[in-house]
Amino acid sequence: GQSLEQPSEVTAVEGAIVQINCTYQTSGFYGLSWYQQHDGGAPTFLSYNALDGLEETGRFSSFLSRSDSYGYLLLQELQMKDSASYFCAVREAQAGTALIFGKGTTLSVSS
Amino acid sequence: DSGVTQTPKHLITATGQRVTLRCSPRSGDLSVYWYQQSLDQGLQFLIQYYNGEERAKGNILERFSAQQFPDLHSELNLSSLELGDSALYFCASSVDTGDSPLHFGNGTRLTVT
Repeated sequence: GQSLEQPSEVTAVEGAIVQINCTYQTSGFYGLSWYQQHDGGAPTFLSYNALDGLEETGRFSSFLSRSDSYGYLLLQELQMKDSASYFCAVREAQAGTALIFGKGTTLSVSS
Repeated sequence: DSGVTQTPKHLITATGQRVTLRCSPRSGDLSVYWYQQSLDQGLQFLIQYYNGEERAKGNILERFSAQQFPDLHSELNLSSLELGDSALYFCASSVDTGDSPLHFGNGTRLTVT
């Protein structure tokens, strides 16, 4: 089976930098994805890492270390609108081709 | 707008009843996924279809079933409903079964009373 661990809550202030960590255990690994979900809304895709290293997309970056079964999402220059839940997800062999999500990290950004 | 359409947006029904949730995937997407999200819970994978065929199954209850039709829309059927089935049900679609991003609909909020 698979498991993903990420912190349940993170708080930060506007303009700050926050890192949301994700560790995973899978029987076969294809890549690590990140999704954002505002309260009650549809999850939206943020990033995907298949190889080790850092992927940067604007204020958001995502990192993967396959040897450590670890990744993180880095959010810079935080804005109030970044307050949301962030989910890491893996596609792993035993689940077929399904994307399995962690329980999510709720980020609260204050002024 | 993700291009994924889910109907209805809200559904209120009684225990023991049966409901059908509908999903139209984004144009060109062949894969459809169903997820359940209960209060303060993550996204629980239920089932995936690809081009009309079941591709992967998660923790889907026997009371639940789904199918994908030739026009690629999908339906999730929930029967003998229980209070604990109250949740937000999301449909998502992707181009294929690989690493393409999932595009989520706005969900159907089911309340069982």
